[in-house]
Amino acid sequence: GENVEQHPSTLSVQEGDSAVIKCTYSDSASNYFPWYKQELGKRPQLIIDIRSNVGEKKDQRIAVTLNKTAKHFSLHITETQPEDSAVYFCAARMGYIPTFGRGTSLIVHP
Amino acid sequence: ETGVTQTPRHLVMGMTNKKSLKCEQHLGHNAMYWYKQSAKKPLELMFVYNFKEQTENNSVPSRFSPECPNSSHLFLHLHTLQPEDSALYLCASSPTSGGLNTGELFFGEGSRLTVL
Repeated sequence: GENVEQHPSTLSVQEGDSAVIKCTYSDSASNYFPWYKQELGKRPQLIIDIRSNVGEKKDQRIAVTLNKTAKHFSLHITETQPEDSAVYFCAARMGYIPTFGRGTSLIVHP
Repeated sequence: ETGVTQTPRHLVMGMTNKKSLKCEQHLGHNAMYWYKQSAKKPLELMFVYNFKEQTENNSVPSRFSPECPNSSHLFLHLHTLQPEDSALYLCASSPTSGGLNTGELFFGEGSRLTVL
């Protein structure tokens, strides 16, 4: 089955800095890669996703890149703000069911 | 409001109790999921239903028993649980198209379970 590795487990940055979270996957058949944000005590919510026919996708301060050859994808957050503090999960999916990474706790210091 | 509602939000039970978690969605989705979220662990998939049929049972102990009476409702029946089963149980749903799951997961707020 699919295996998703996510790094780092914790990321601490100053407000205004950029943050990068990286994930690798094992199944080359995976074709959909969502990123979820979970604030403390809240449910996970999709913030951005990318499909395997696209190399990069951007939505305001958030971008995701995908390297199919190397089987890795990354989340980039620019100009971080305290409200970006949360746990971020990557996932990889082919067909039905997503496999999640272990999560990255992002802390943005004011 | 996501459209996925879970009840109860908090539950404390003894190891000999029997309780149920409920999940309801009115988003028109056909796939529903149960996930377990423990501290410092990844989201653990437990069960998946598609068009009311169970399509995944991720080696979950029999003390957890799912039920999906229709595409809008999902239950997780709990009996003789262990303290290590204490966790946040998240329900999710997703749209399907032509039998394939093509959409994002919509999560409920979760049910925080404590087993004494």
